[in-house]
Amino acid sequence: GESVGLHLPTLSVQEGDNSIINCAYSNSASDYFIWYKQESGKGPQFIIDIRSNMDKRQGQRVTVLLNKTVKHLSLQIAATQPGDSAVYFCAENIGPPGNTPLVFGKGTRLSVIA
Amino acid sequence: DGGITQSPKYLFRKEGQNVTLSCEQNLNHDAMYWYRQDPGQGLRLIYYSQIVNDFQKGDIAEGYSVSREKKESFPLTVTSAQKNPTAFYLCASSWVLAGGQETQYFGPGTRLLVL
Repeated sequence: GESVGLHLPTLSVQEGDNSIINCAYSNSASDYFIWYKQESGKGPQFIIDIRSNMDKRQGQRVTVLLNKTVKHLSLQIAATQPGDSAVYFCAENIGPPGNTPLVFGKGTRLSVIA
Repeated sequence: DGGITQSPKYLFRKEGQNVTLSCEQNLNHDAMYWYRQDPGQGLRLIYYSQIVNDFQKGDIAEGYSVSREKKESFPLTVTSAQKNPTAFYLCASSWVLAGGQETQYFGPGTRLLVL
């Protein structure tokens, strides 16, 4: 979920289990959403995206679910591995292109227990 | 090898000094962005540019300046007016698409430390 203040929410998962990371987005007019993964000391990496006309999209070991009714986005990681340990950010595109950059959530730290 | 490069990886600033962070992309992206990230925090937008010779302030532009003289380059200057510059600085770029999607791709970041 979204963090408040200085501390990121942390999700601890046993290696091999599935992970679910949640994000509440802010604007009902948002039409495009992205999940990023950021490892320590590195820039965020694109994981998967979804348009607002879809409810679900699958990638390799990852699935993004979009619930527009409650403005909720989730990232599911199957068979979580130690290399999945990172901070995960959701981002939303609120306005038309050229008007408003992406808005990023504050992130969730995923810790995988070997 | 396409991508976004940032230099230097680490940068040290003395009191009252201006420093410039470099960002270059060879992805032919139209838009470029600068973010600041503090420990345990998300990304805060400093400046962005949708087109050459034009840029807009983000949420925390005070104490920073940018230029966009070339499509592939978007340097960020941290001026002496920025009183708390210690942070991790991330540059990103994206296409500007008519369909409304703007996937941003990020560089490796520059960590700025104050001496």
